[in-house]
Amino acid sequence: RKEVEQDPGPFNVPEGATVAFNCTYSNSASQSFFWYRQDCRKEPKLLMSVYSSGNEDGRFTAQLNRASQYISLLIRDSKLSDSATYLCVVNIDTGRRALTFGSGTRLQVQP
Amino acid sequence: EPEVTQTPSHQVTQMGQEVILRCVPISNHLYFYWYRQILGQKVEFLVSFYNNEISEKSEIFDDQFSVERPDGSNFTLKIRSTKLEDSAMYFCASSPGQSSYNEQFFGPGTRLTVL
Repeated sequence: RKEVEQDPGPFNVPEGATVAFNCTYSNSASQSFFWYRQDCRKEPKLLMSVYSSGNEDGRFTAQLNRASQYISLLIRDSKLSDSATYLCVVNIDTGRRALTFGSGTRLQVQP
Repeated sequence: EPEVTQTPSHQVTQMGQEVILRCVPISNHLYFYWYRQILGQKVEFLVSFYNNEISEKSEIFDDQFSVERPDGSNFTLKIRSTKLEDSAMYFCASSPGQSSYNEQFFGPGTRLTVL
C-alpha cells in the first residue's frame, strides 16, 4: 500500500462548482497533515494544515478522519484560478520531520 | 511576506560534474530541507538539517550528496558527480521549528538538467 494515496484525476469542473478530493495514508501513527497546491513546474505552496477538528479557510474546508486514515479537501465556488494540482502531504512518522507527498490530484476549472 | 529563495533557477551540467544548488531559507526558521521532483513524479524528501547537522536523510541521499550551511543565511546542496537520473527539480524548504505541526515553506526550485 502506498504511504499517501490520491486519485490523480483530472477533475474537470465548471466555475462555481463544489469539488472534493480525498487522500488516504498508510501509517496510523502519522501526526501532521497538509494540503499543498502545485501549479505546473512551480513549487508546492501550503494551502492549509489539516487538524483533527477540521478547519476552514474561506472556500476551502479540510477534514481528517483518523479512524479511516483519510483526509479530504472541499473547494466551494470553484474559480478558474483554482486550477492546479492538489497535493496531500503527511508527516508519516512521529519524531520525523520529512514530509511524504501524494502524487497529487489535478483540478481543471472550466469557464 | 518572507519567502525561501533559490539560485540558480536552472542549471545545466554534464554527467560527472559537480553542482551546488543554493538556498536562502526564511530568516527566523530553524529547520531546512531539500526535496526533489523528477518530471511527472511526486515530490520526494532528500534531507533535513537542524543546528548545523543532518537530522534525517532518505535513501536517495547517498554519498554523492552533501549539504552545508556555510554562513548565517545560505543553505546548499552539493551533488559531487552528477548522473543522468539526477535531472529533476530541487526544492529547498524551511520550517520555523517551534510548531509541532511542522509547516514547511518551499522555494521556487532549481531545475537541474544533466546531459
